[in-house]
Amino acid sequence: DIQMSQSPSSLSASVGDRVTITCRASQSISNFLNWYQQRPGKVPKLLIYATSYLQSGVPSRFSGSGSGTDFTLTISSLQPEDFATYFCQQSYSTLSYTFGQGTKVEIK
Amino acid sequence: EVQLVQSGAEVKKPGESLKISCKGSGYSFTSYWIGWVRQMPGKGLEWMGIIYPDDSDTRYSPSFQGQVTISADKSINTAYMQWSSLKASDTAMYYCARRSGSGSHYALDYWGQGTLVTVSS
Repeated sequence: DIQMSQSPSSLSASVGDRVTITCRASQSISNFLNWYQQRPGKVPKLLIYATSYLQSGVPSRFSGSGSGTDFTLTISSLQPEDFATYFCQQSYSTLSYTFGQGTKVEIK
Repeated sequence: EVQLVQSGAEVKKPGESLKISCKGSGYSFTSYWIGWVRQMPGKGLEWMGIIYPDDSDTRYSPSFQGQVTISADKSINTAYMQWSSLKASDTAMYYCARRSGSGSHYALDYWGQGTLVTVSS
């Protein structure tokens, strides 16, 4: 199985801050990397697929980059509704799509 | 409108069996894989497995192989997750989600609302 790890596990930031979350795969996954947002008590929501493509309706302040084993999710200007937990997921393995452990973005 | 509607919360005792469901609507149910994801209380998302409702081709994460059974009934657009003998450690929220994408770039674009399973004596 491909293992996914995220850093940091949590972070505190203020509205308007630029936030970067890192995801690392245990082997190269090319650009087969997705990001999800889960607000407290809510269902996960797809934000970005194939490393850098925004899902329909996702604000442009979200962006993704990377390739191989190292990937980043960036929020250019943090908004109140962005306080949530973010998960990366690899879709490289056929029909076995493991997640990272999550990064919780909290209000400073 | 694409929707995945899951069955309601369950409270069970250790050793009991359980089957939860996920009903799709608003799209061709037999044309998309349905994945299942576990979220234990206060924890992250864990990939459990996936099924193709058209022919019930099913793949399990090694961590869940033999622990659960995933099935589907395409005549009623419904996927299932079942346990034959629940343990307290099965207490979690379970989500179903539709896999979509193209060119091998797949993601879970629509999710059910989740089914909370509580196992306690």
